Amino acid sequence: KQEVTQIPAALSVPEGENLVLNCSFTDSAIYNLQWFRQDPGKGLTSLLLIQSSQREQTSGRLNASLDKSSGRSTLYIAASQPGDSATYLCAVRYAGGTSYGKLTFGQGTILTVHP
Amino acid sequence: DGGITQSPKYLFRKEGQNVTLSCEQNLNHDAMYWYRQDPGQGLRLIYYSQIVNDFQKGDIAEGYSVSREKKESFPLTVTSAQKNPTAFYLCASSEGGVYTDTQYFGPGTRLTVL
Repeated sequence: KQEVTQIPAALSVPEGENLVLNCSFTDSAIYNLQWFRQDPGKGLTSLLLIQSSQREQTSGRLNASLDKSSGRSTLYIAASQPGDSATYLCAVRYAGGTSYGKLTFGQGTILTVHP
Repeated sequence: DGGITQSPKYLFRKEGQNVTLSCEQNLNHDAMYWYRQDPGQGLRLIYYSQIVNDFQKGDIAEGYSVSREKKESFPLTVTSAQKNPTAFYLCASSEGGVYTDTQYFGPGTRLTVL
């Protein structure tokens, strides 16, 4: 079964700390992987999209990496701020199998950055 | 402003009722999607449409129906056959046609069964 898993489920850090969120997927045949942010009771905001041919993408303080061979992606947040507090979701678009062409989501990591 | 709108923000349904959730986009995107989100879980795909007048079932389509009569609109009906409809519903769109594009999401509708 094609799945996406995010660890940890929740993370609490002090302001200013650098942090890493992890995402693992079960099949290396993917089109792309996308990281989203979700604030409580709101929709999802796309942060970064990494195509299968890419190794990483950067946007401001965010850096996402992709290692297809190991089935892993990481989202690195530099110099965290209280405004970064949200749920971060990883989603994979598999290139084959029963999930072909569709986004498969992880359960998310709830991030709290305290002052 | 370009974007995706969903209405209503909150919706309450009595047992046995059908309700329709609205999703409109002005991004000129070909593809549109409906997802369901339950507490502590990731999103699950209900239905998707890659072009007007065409749509496909996702992973949890039972008890739901959709239509795609216009490019900008993709309403979702939650029927009485859906036994556990209380959830947060999210609509999304993408340029479509290729499997490399970014999905953009609306603000969501929270449905509660009374």
